[in-house]
Amino acid sequence: DADVTQTPRNRITKTGKRIMLECSQTKGHDRMYWYRQDPGLGLRLIYYSFDVKDINKGEISDGYSVSRQAQAKFSLSLESAIPNQTALYFCATSDSGTGGTEAFFGQGTRLTVV
Amino acid sequence: AQSVTQLGSHVSVSEGALVLLRCNYSSSVPPYLFWYVQYPNQGLQLLLKYTTGATLVKGINGFEAEFKKSETSFHLTKPSAHMSDAAEYFCAVNPGSGGSNYKLTFGKGTLLTVNP
Repeated sequence: DADVTQTPRNRITKTGKRIMLECSQTKGHDRMYWYRQDPGLGLRLIYYSFDVKDINKGEISDGYSVSRQAQAKFSLSLESAIPNQTALYFCATSDSGTGGTEAFFGQGTRLTVV
Repeated sequence: AQSVTQLGSHVSVSEGALVLLRCNYSSSVPPYLFWYVQYPNQGLQLLLKYTTGATLVKGINGFEAEFKKSETSFHLTKPSAHMSDAAEYFCAVNPGSGGSNYKLTFGKGTLLTVNP
């Protein structure tokens, strides 16, 4: 089983619908992240959490919200999906420590908003 | 704030040729630097990283990168490309000013194509 698991792997939804992307990890890491990948734009940070009670906005948080339900679970919600939120979404985790700590990524969720 | 610039969104090489993927960064404090690789339909995995110490860093699959502070660069190289190296490569920086500031900033990626 993967250390960082994202569900669903693929999702097509309609404009205006609420959708939740889920992430769970078995690595025991405190820190979790949500990134969005768009062609030619690389990965951009949406939200990050350094522990269950610590949630922070990233560079592109508008239109998104998150919930850290437990150390191992971090979900991303789109309250009212719009077509320009069509992208590949990645969850990542890292151990607390220095900035040289490696981040571990899930397989991604491909979201299409029509 | 830190940023990463990857020169060349698409690099094409022949099998057996040198691979050179360029990365320049800006950071107000000494950085931690990373290269990640993304194979088709997969997540990102770490190739190598620079934290402190030796500036020439060796990673998996024969890749290496050299941290050059004076040039603010962290270019990725491999002496001889294999077909299996075809993937997208991302350079990333973390400012390294403290664990509480750990959030990777990625470049836009370089797609490597290897021709037979």
